[in-house]
Amino acid sequence: GDSVTQMEGPVTLSEEAFLTINCTYTATGYPSLFWYVQYPGEGLQLLLKATKADDKGSNKGFEATYRKETTSFHLEKGSVQVSDSAVYFCALKMNTGFQKLVFGTGTRLLVSP
Amino acid sequence: DVKVTQSSRYLVKRTGEKVFLECVQDMDHENMFWYRQDPGLGLRLIYFSYDVKMKEKGDIPEGYSVSREKKERFSLILESASTNQTSMYLCATKDRGNEKLFFGSGTQLSVL
Repeated sequence: GDSVTQMEGPVTLSEEAFLTINCTYTATGYPSLFWYVQYPGEGLQLLLKATKADDKGSNKGFEATYRKETTSFHLEKGSVQVSDSAVYFCALKMNTGFQKLVFGTGTRLLVSP
Repeated sequence: DVKVTQSSRYLVKRTGEKVFLECVQDMDHENMFWYRQDPGLGLRLIYFSYDVKMKEKGDIPEGYSVSREKKERFSLILESASTNQTSMYLCATKDRGNEKLFFGSGTQLSVL
């Protein structure tokens, strides 16, 4: 079935470091891809998305590019802040049927001053 | 902005009890979802509903049921709580034709 694989965390960085969180997917068709973020004590919220190959999603300094050839959607940020500390979830949605989201296991990011 | 409210932030119940988790949304969204979140497993879909009185099983429906009598309210029911149902439960909503999910802040349920 459709699935998403994320790198295990926690990812520990110092403020202003470069961030990459890897995400790869397996799907029978051409899904839409998402990154959701969960700040401490809160529910998930959509960070960015891409709906077709080579699309780049971006928001709040984060970027991810939909790579069909490598079935990947890695999340990047050039300079992280302490306030970026959260759990990041990669997800996919097939564009047929009911279109439910399939989530990865989440990657915790810890940014220290 | 959309508001998704879950009735309790923390809940402690005993094995065998019947447990109700409530979720209310204020934006007239057709679709509502219940997920559970466990370390190392991410989010797993329990049940979802695409209309009033309609429900569909997700990936892990065993031991759970749901009720959607009104459009704004989606309830998750644990008929007889067990310790392996200790988890964080997240409710989410989505407007038809829109891809974005809106989540509540979750209910941490402990079954002792």
